[in-house]
Amino acid sequence: NAGVMQNPRHLVRRRGQEARLRCSPMKGHSHVYWYRQLPEEGLKFMVYLQKENIIDESGMPKERFSAEFPKEGPSILRIQQVVRGDSAAYFCASSELGWDRINTEAFFGQGTRLTVV
Amino acid sequence: LAKTTQPISMDSYEGQEVNITCSHNNIATNDYITWYQQFPSQGPRFIIQGYKTKVTNEVASLFIPADRKSSTLSLPRVSLSDTAVYYCLVGEENTPLVFGKGTRLSVIA
Repeated sequence: NAGVMQNPRHLVRRRGQEARLRCSPMKGHSHVYWYRQLPEEGLKFMVYLQKENIIDESGMPKERFSAEFPKEGPSILRIQQVVRGDSAAYFCASSELGWDRINTEAFFGQGTRLTVV
Repeated sequence: LAKTTQPISMDSYEGQEVNITCSHNNIATNDYITWYQQFPSQGPRFIIQGYKTKVTNEVASLFIPADRKSSTLSLPRVSLSDTAVYYCLVGEENTPLVFGKGTRLSVIA
């Protein structure tokens, strides 16, 4: 059972371009979470999705950022018109159970490092 | 939202036992305590989780006193490969995992 797969591992974009980050959860997991991490900082929650539904997007910037988790295929975090401040590591995690089960274990991918030049 | 406080950094020599304590004074009755480990350029990895008393697995032990206002992650006989950032999280229903800045453990030969 492969772990959480994220691609690409590294992504370079010029200011104003779009960035698409992909996350394939572990087999059997229908809950996906996206986090952003700046250097020397902890992970900041962005969005929680469960197959075709956004459960909580309270950590996602209101503009330029969107996320989806279609019925088929990976979850996508999309950043439009990137700016230098978007440069960070973006981590995806998945879990078998939702966070209404408070002892749910989340499995993280290796992250996508976005650099905006 | 239960907040956690842990030391910013710790140093240890190889072979020693390392104890990282986390304070969570506002922990709620139903909250679990979870520790994650993060190596450079990797995503966090679940280490251990507990509710009260003591939990032990092949990687670490977690000690939780009766009042549950703190917890201690114990790593036996650390090696260089244990150098990482360790996060203490307190889980609440219907809220995302909240990561602080963690404790940066440096193991020295």
